[in-house]
Parts: sequence; C-alpha cells; structure tokens
Amino acid sequence: AQKVTQAQTEISVVEKEDVTLDCVYETRDTTYYLFWYKQPPSGELVFLIRRNSFDEQNEISGRYSWNFQKSTSSFNFTITASQVVDSAVYFCALRNLSGYSTLTFGKGTMLLVSP
Amino acid sequence: GAGVSQSPSNKVTEKGKDVELRCDPISGHTALYWYRQSLGQGLEFLIYFQGNSAPDKSGLPSDRFSAERTGGSVSTLTIQRTQQEDSAVYLCASSLARQTYEQYFGPGTRLTVT
Repeated sequence: AQKVTQAQTEISVVEKEDVTLDCVYETRDTTYYLFWYKQPPSGELVFLIRRNSFDEQNEISGRYSWNFQKSTSSFNFTITASQVVDSAVYFCALRNLSGYSTLTFGKGTMLLVSP
Repeated sequence: GAGVSQSPSNKVTEKGKDVELRCDPISGHTALYWYRQSLGQGLEFLIYFQGNSAPDKSGLPSDRFSAERTGGSVSTLTIQRTQQEDSAVYLCASSLARQTYEQYFGPGTRLTVT
C-alpha cells in the first residue's frame, strides 16, 4: 500500500515570504515517481514537477524548488518570494511503476498569499 | 494544443437519477484516468483505461459507477441512482502512456446531488 501525507492543511503567508510545503510518502516499491500539482481557484490541476526515485538531486525552477530526501521519504516544495498568484491548493502525489501506475495523492495544502 | 476537456462543467441532479460525465483526453494520449475530489477526502482514484480497456477499476466505490471508453479517445463515467454522497468534483486525466509520463488533468465536472 502507498500513502502520501501532507500534514499542513492550510498555510497563510504575506507576499514575498518564503514558504515550504511538506510532503511525506510511504511505499514498498523501490522505483517510483513523485509529483507536485497546483490547483488554483479555477479548479484545474496543473502539473508542476515529476521526480523519479533514483534522482535525489534538488531542483529549482524560478521561484520554485524541490527537496527530495529518500532517507526521510520526503519531497518538500518551497516557494521563494511568494506572490498572490501562488494562492492555490498544492497536491503531492506518488506513482509506483508496478501495477497500473495510478496516482496516490495527499490531501493537499491550501496556500493563501495575501498582499 | 488542446488540453483535456470535460463536460458538463457543472451538473445538479436529483437523488436517484442517473448522470453521465464526459471526458475528452489530449489527442494521442493512450492512458485515461478518472478521479473524484470530495471535500475533506482529497483526490481518489476511480478507474484507469489503457486504450479502450479498463484494467484497473479498483477505485470505483460501488456498482452504481461504471465507465467506458470508445475509439481510444472519449470516456464516459456513468453514475446510476445517484446519492448525495456522490456529490464531488470528478476529474479526468490523460497521459501518453501509463508508465513514466505525467498526467494532465481536465477542469473537472462538479456534481451536486440534491
């Protein structure tokens, strides 16, 4: 069985603050993929990043960065200098390569960035 | 190019009626997934299609739920004898193949059962 835990239900920050969204996962598989999706108020899930279990290099994309640590089964997401447009629900998800590779999602973290 | 589209965007139905939700995946995507997003429940997997076949129906919550896919493209999720607990946003996603490719999601259908 696999599980994704996003312990932070809701986070509120003021614009320009840095914010980290936590994600902890459980899986018995040695090969898997981790994802982050953003769901703005419009409702459509937007793909942000995919990482495979063999690649623990951290990744930076503009104001976004991701910290993958296999030792702690975590895949945290940091937004630097947050902006109002970052306000959304963010989902972390896990997909094994066994079985039918469906996504297991965390319950999401709602990020509210105020001006 | 065009993304995943879903229709209707909103559906209000009376308890006991049947509803059909439609998903048009991205052209060329062979894998198609249905998920349900309920308040407080997060996103739950319902069913997966590879081409027209559904090798994984493990997430369908009851036999009132069924889905089909035709021509390796459009999929329809049918809920019979709707119940209030079926109220949720139903999301469809597609990907190039099931293994390593990210899934692209549609805007969802918000179903309200009164």
